[in-house]
Amino acid sequence: SQKIEQNSEALNIQEGKTATLTCNYTNYSPAYLQWYRQDPGRGPVFLLLIRENEKEKRKERLKVTFDTTLKQSLFHITASQPADSATYLCALHSNSGYALNFGKGTSLLVTP
Amino acid sequence: NAGVTQTPKFQVLKTGQSMTLQCAQDMNHNSMYWYRQDPGMGLRLIYYSASEGTTDKGEVPNGYNVSRLNKREFSLRLESAAPSQTSVYFCASSLAGANTGELFFGEGSRLTVL
Repeated sequence: SQKIEQNSEALNIQEGKTATLTCNYTNYSPAYLQWYRQDPGRGPVFLLLIRENEKEKRKERLKVTFDTTLKQSLFHITASQPADSATYLCALHSNSGYALNFGKGTSLLVTP
Repeated sequence: NAGVTQTPKFQVLKTGQSMTLQCAQDMNHNSMYWYRQDPGMGLRLIYYSASEGTTDKGEVPNGYNVSRLNKREFSLRLESAAPSQTSVYFCASSLAGANTGELFFGEGSRLTVL
């Protein structure tokens, strides 16, 4: 069966450090992988989309890598800030291509 | 722009009651989706509509029906609510299929079934 696995344990880091979140998947052949941010009581918000032929993508302090051989994506937040505290979701499109399947998310807490 | 608007934001039902969750988007998107989110389960797709006039089942469709009323609106109906349907429901939309671009989510509808 298809699985998207994200570390269920919360990640606690100190302000200014780099946060690295992992997304592993099985039985997908994705052309795209997406990352979303979700704050408590709010809907998810899109952050980045990376294509299979893009090994790395950056947006401001965010960096995403996509390794289709390892079936893994890494999501980095550099110079982290307390405002970065949220749950981060990895998502892949389903075999039908029309819908996204999400991982359960990893909670990030950045402390001053 | 309002983006994706869901109503109601909160609802309490008794087992066996019916209700409809409404969703509207003002971005002229073709595709719309309903997800539910439960603690420890993540977001799970209930139904989606790739384009106006079409609907398809997602991962957890049992106990739900949907209607793509027009390009803007996509409703989710619970015909006979059960406690297992207590959840937070999110509507989302995208310009085309989810494999080509981002999803825009509403703020969620929090449903409790007693």
